[in-house]
Amino acid sequence: DIQMTQSPSSLSASVGDRVTITCRASQTISSFLNWYQQKPGKAPKLLIYAASSLQSGVPSRFSGSGSGTDFTLTISSLQPEDFATYYCQQSYGTPGTFGGGTKVEIK
Amino acid sequence: EEQLVESGGGLVHRGGSLRLSCAASGFTFRTYSMNWVRQAPGKGLEWVSYSSSGSTIYYADSVKGRFTISRDDAKNSLYLQMNSLTDEDTAVYYCAREMSGGNRPYYYYGMDVWGQGTTVTVSS
Repeated sequence: DIQMTQSPSSLSASVGDRVTITCRASQTISSFLNWYQQKPGKAPKLLIYAASSLQSGVPSRFSGSGSGTDFTLTISSLQPEDFATYYCQQSYGTPGTFGGGTKVEIK
Repeated sequence: EEQLVESGGGLVHRGGSLRLSCAASGFTFRTYSMNWVRQAPGKGLEWVSYSSSGSTIYYADSVKGRFTISRDDAKNSLYLQMNSLTDEDTAVYYCAREMSGGNRPYYYYGMDVWGQGTTVTVSS
């Protein structure tokens, strides 16, 4: 199975900060990488698919980049509603493994 | 509005069985592939099972031989029959729609519609 490693596992940031989360795959996955946001007690929400495609309705402050094994989710200006846990997921082969998550907390 | 609503969770004894259901509305269910994803308490997300709009099915190794995914397109519903449950199966179970356009099993896209989840607790 393809292993997905996210870093950091948690971070503290302030409103307005630029935040970057990274995800590394154990083997190449081309651009088949998705990002999800999950708030406590809620279902995950798709933010980015195919590494850099913004899901409909998601604010443009979210962006994704990367290909091969290294990927990045960037929040250009952190908003209060962005405090949540973020997961990457590879969709290149089955099973579609998830990263361990990055919890974004208020500084 | 595109919506998924899970039901059927609950408390079950170790070794017992449970059947989860997921009711879809607001979209043409029969044309979409569907997944079950679970999340153990305080843990991350784990993909469990996949059902194509046709007859292709996949399972995670952790549930293979114990869980069975099925769907009834006439009822716009997805199911997960869970047998021989263990403590490790305790989790919130989500059904999720897979975006169109992929080419399983080689590549596919993200899950764009999720249910609210149903909780399964396995105890002795």
